[in-house]
Amino acid sequence: SQQGEEDPQALSIQEGENATMNCSYKTSINNLQWYRQNSGRGLVHLILIRSNEREKHSGRLRVTLDTSKKSSSLLITASRAADTASYFCATIIQGAQKLVFGQGTRLTINP
Amino acid sequence: EPEVTQTPSHQVTQMGQEVILRCVPISNHLYFYWYRQILGQKVEFLVSFYNNEISEKSEIFDDQFSVERPDGSNFTLKIRSTKLEDSAMYFCASSPTVGPGLYYEQYFGPGTRLTVT
Repeated sequence: SQQGEEDPQALSIQEGENATMNCSYKTSINNLQWYRQNSGRGLVHLILIRSNEREKHSGRLRVTLDTSKKSSSLLITASRAADTASYFCATIIQGAQKLVFGQGTRLTINP
Repeated sequence: EPEVTQTPSHQVTQMGQEVILRCVPISNHLYFYWYRQILGQKVEFLVSFYNNEISEKSEIFDDQFSVERPDGSNFTLKIRSTKLEDSAMYFCASSPTVGPGLYYEQYFGPGTRLTVT
């Protein structure tokens, strides 16, 4: 079983629309983090949500966490062409330090 | 803004050769990590390092891999005898600290693309 699976695997929307990506995980976590990766580049940390938090905002980003369903969502509002990238959720399992990444959602924003 | 740096950005090596990938974590961070991403696949954890010793490692991190913090700033990953399947992007990361109930963001470097031929 996979810890941290995103859906959809790919998402293509028009500039200005909102983009929603979902992440599910299997085991109890300490926190969940979202990262962005532009093609062939490094990972940029977007937002961290702790297991006792339900929602968090940062600029145009909104993250929710439902620990009962073991799922999280990342909403990007008013998308821009520069938001085109792959987005990964990553979890830290309780008692561990390592990040466990999902396969990612490839987001394309069409101008 | 402080950032993690990695060198080289791209390393090409022949199978069986040793490679050393270098990282400079953010200066006041205490935890250091290596991850890798094979082309088209997910990012995978290799090893974490704290207080001059390995604190956690994955099954990928076998005897061919080693890490070192040779001085106060560098953090290195050595692969003793590279295999074709070691070809991947290798990311270094650091975080300020961890503690009971306290986990912080891990800040990633831009990666080193390792190509084994």
